[in-house]
Amino acid sequence: DIVMTQSPDSLAVSLGERATINCKSSQSVLYISNKKNYLAWYQQKPGQPPKLLIYGASTRESGVPDRFSGSGSGTDFTLSIGSLQAEDVAVYYCQQYYITPITFGQGTRLEIK
Amino acid sequence: QVQLVQSGTEVRKPGSSVKVSCKFSGGTFSDYVISWVRQAPGQGPDWMGGISPLFGTTNYAQKFQGRVTFATDESTSTAYMQLSSLTSEDTAFYYCATEHLGEMTTLGYFDYWGQGTLVTVSS
Repeated sequence: DIVMTQSPDSLAVSLGERATINCKSSQSVLYISNKKNYLAWYQQKPGQPPKLLIYGASTRESGVPDRFSGSGSGTDFTLSIGSLQAEDVAVYYCQQYYITPITFGQGTRLEIK
Repeated sequence: QVQLVQSGTEVRKPGSSVKVSCKFSGGTFSDYVISWVRQAPGQGPDWMGGISPLFGTTNYAQKFQGRVTFATDESTSTAYMQLSSLTSEDTAFYYCATEHLGEMTTLGYFDYWGQGTLVTVSS
């Protein structure tokens, strides 16, 4: 199975500042033939299901604010939240869909400093 | 807008089974793969597998193989997940979600989610 490891486990950032969450996969999730990374990011608030933010490592889902951005390729990926808002407090997960079984990271808890 | 509405909280005893439903609306049911993802308290999501209503094919995660069964009813646009031989480790929220397949792969990311069904296994 591909192991997805996120860092840090928790993060406190001031309002208006940038938050950066990392995700490392135990093997590449880059599909060579189409040069696409099969990596998604989700946001989960208490009592709610996960919400899709990013797919293909860097494509924002429709309706997601543009302060959320994804980058990286191969095995190393980053979710950035520019200018943190109070409503961004949540747990964030990365997920690979390159090879079965689909696997998720352990989550990064984002709080306001 | 696609919407998934799941059945309510379940409490089961160890060794029993549970069946959770997921009613789809807002689109064409057969156009989607419906997947099931569970999440134990304080843990990350755990993919259980998916089913294609159009083709009737299932894709079970190996760790659940033999213990989980997916089904769909196209007449009511409803998907079902049955999990048997329950233990306390199966206590979790169970989510259905639409799986948007990646290009050139049978796997994907999850764009619409149900609200979740809490299954508690306790003697």
